[in-house]
Amino acid sequence: AQSVTQPDIHITVSEGASLELRCNYSYGATPYLFWYVQSPGQGLQLLLKYFSGDTLVQGIKGFEAEFKRSQSSFNLRKPSVHWSDAAEYFCAVGALGNNDMRFGAGTRLTVKP
Amino acid sequence: NAGVTQTPKFQVLKTGQSMTLQCAQDMNHEYMSWYRQDPGMGLRLIHYSVGAGITDQGEVPNGYNVSRSTTEDFPLRLLSAAPSQTSVYFCASIERGPSGESAEAFFGQGTRLTVV
Repeated sequence: AQSVTQPDIHITVSEGASLELRCNYSYGATPYLFWYVQSPGQGLQLLLKYFSGDTLVQGIKGFEAEFKRSQSSFNLRKPSVHWSDAAEYFCAVGALGNNDMRFGAGTRLTVKP
Repeated sequence: NAGVTQTPKFQVLKTGQSMTLQCAQDMNHEYMSWYRQDPGMGLRLIHYSVGAGITDQGEVPNGYNVSRSTTEDFPLRLLSAAPSQTSVYFCASIERGPSGESAEAFFGQGTRLTVV
């Protein structure tokens, strides 16, 4: 089955600074990749997804992610972080013909004023 | 639009008690799943269903049962609760893309379960 690793448990950035959250996946074929955000006490909301085509995908709230097959990575980026971006972020991988979706352990983002 | 509705939001159980977590979706998705979320471990798949009458085990199925009698409902049963089952539980309803891939997961608000 596919799997996901998020190497950073917790990241702190200053408001207005750029952000990159790392995600590495393991899967033998072309993966379907997702980033979700979870605000405290809430469910998960989809930020963006990659299925095929352009390897740079745009999502909601100004986020983007780049699929790099050679590095098995799908890192999430934002040029300028806002205080409201403080949350937990999950990378997930799905696969064609495999109906489950596997999640990473999550990265908690703290935004300093 | 209701999306995915989970009940209850909070529950405290004594060790050995049983209970059912309810999940309902109104998006007519065939695929539904249950996850548990524990600190530092992300979301781990408990059970999933690819349609009414069809269920299968995920990564951590022990101690849990599921059934899927209708497309809309996918309840999760704890047969004899243990402290190790203290967790936050999420139900997800997954939209499938044109090629059968998992296109997007829609989550309920979660159930915070404490077993004492």
